[in-house]
Amino acid sequence: QKEVEQDPGPLSVPEGAIVSLNCTYSNSAFQYFMWYRQYSRKGPELLMYTYSSGNKEDGRFTAQVDKSSKYISLFIRDSQPSDSATYLCAITKNTGNQFYFGTGTSLTVIP
Amino acid sequence: ETGVTQSPTHLIKTRGQQVTLRCSSQSGHNTVSWYQQALGQGPQFIFQYYREEENGRGNFPPRFSGLQFPNYSSELNVNALELDDSALYLCASSSDRANTGELFFGEGSRLTVL
Repeated sequence: QKEVEQDPGPLSVPEGAIVSLNCTYSNSAFQYFMWYRQYSRKGPELLMYTYSSGNKEDGRFTAQVDKSSKYISLFIRDSQPSDSATYLCAITKNTGNQFYFGTGTSLTVIP
Repeated sequence: ETGVTQSPTHLIKTRGQQVTLRCSSQSGHNTVSWYQQALGQGPQFIFQYYREEENGRGNFPPRFSGLQFPNYSSELNVNALELDDSALYLCASSSDRANTGELFFGEGSRLTVL
């Protein structure tokens, strides 16, 4: 069983839609939760970072962590064509430890 | 502030050969991690280097080895290349002085093994 599971999609939405991306994980020891965005043929870039449970908002992006159900989400409001990319969830137990990544969800926002 | 840089960006090797990939960490970062990303998959942890010592290793065979230098740059070496080693190899740097341990990735080295 993988440490973190992510629906690979692909996901295709019209411009302006609200996008919901999700991951589940298996081990309650994970404390740090991140979302990375990866454009084609590029390295992943950190989008959102959350420690423990709760919500975090940054502009059009909201990251949500529910440790009781081991479920993490990323919401994108007013999606733009420039949001078209692969979104990777990542989890780790402690700072300095290895990160476990989901398989990534491919998102296309259609103008 | 200089980001993470990797070289080469692309390379083609044949089975059985050896390859060395290089990484310069972001300014101020003392920890380097290497990840393998196969096509359509998320990155998989290979190993991490901290203060020139290996500080954690994923499920990769010993033919994957690495080094970290005093300036915190790093190398990934892969011996006896196999077809399944074809992937994007990502270097990520981080700082033990940061509370969050966020990883900052380079653009990757795309290896094709024929």
